[in-house]
Amino acid sequence: SQQGEEDPQALSIQEGENATMNCSYKTSINNLQWYRQNSGRGLVHLILIRSNEREKHSGRLRVTLDTSKKSSSLLITASRAADTASYFCATDSYSGAGSYQLTFGKGTKLSVIP
Amino acid sequence: GAGVSQSPSNKVTEKGKDVELRCDPISGHTALYWYRQSLGQGLEFLIYFQGNSAPDKSGLPSDRFSAERTGGSVSTLTIQRTQQEDSAVYLCASRNRGPSGNTIYFGEGSWLTVV
Repeated sequence: SQQGEEDPQALSIQEGENATMNCSYKTSINNLQWYRQNSGRGLVHLILIRSNEREKHSGRLRVTLDTSKKSSSLLITASRAADTASYFCATDSYSGAGSYQLTFGKGTKLSVIP
Repeated sequence: GAGVSQSPSNKVTEKGKDVELRCDPISGHTALYWYRQSLGQGLEFLIYFQGNSAPDKSGLPSDRFSAERTGGSVSTLTIQRTQQEDSAVYLCASRNRGPSGNTIYFGEGSWLTVV
């Protein structure tokens, strides 16, 4: 079952604009991670935010986490055409018996128009 | 190797045949995951290996799917009697559960097409 649900499913913006993607989840987590995927192949890790953190920055990326609302957002500032990709959030949680589940949402497909 | 390696990159097989997909994780990573991604969809968890513990097989969709991890390193995902709905990208990932971090590293995937 999908733990994280991204919103919107698709987003189209002009180059230079900011892009905001949201993620909601259902159960308690250890941390939440955002990934990027180009052309349906391997995912690339972007940023990890732990459950006791509220905001984190990495270059043009800003991630927030609200554990009371079970939601996170990914902001990409000053977008570039090269940012065009699918973005996934993944929740990392202990599922018992020594197993740590990393559960992905369905992703947001971002298109940045030059 | 420097990253997670998967083979084959692409596989076309006839319905009813068995296929094996291989994953070579990053050296020293104790955790290994298999996911499946259908076209335009999110990642579906299949199975998780952690060290010498019994694998978490809760995501395997049917008994036609199995996986093993030999020597705590290379893993093979086997799909028996393939069906057309098995067509997808199969992604392998690994990570180190040590204190250095929880980042998961993905391979480029194996694209399976069942005709």
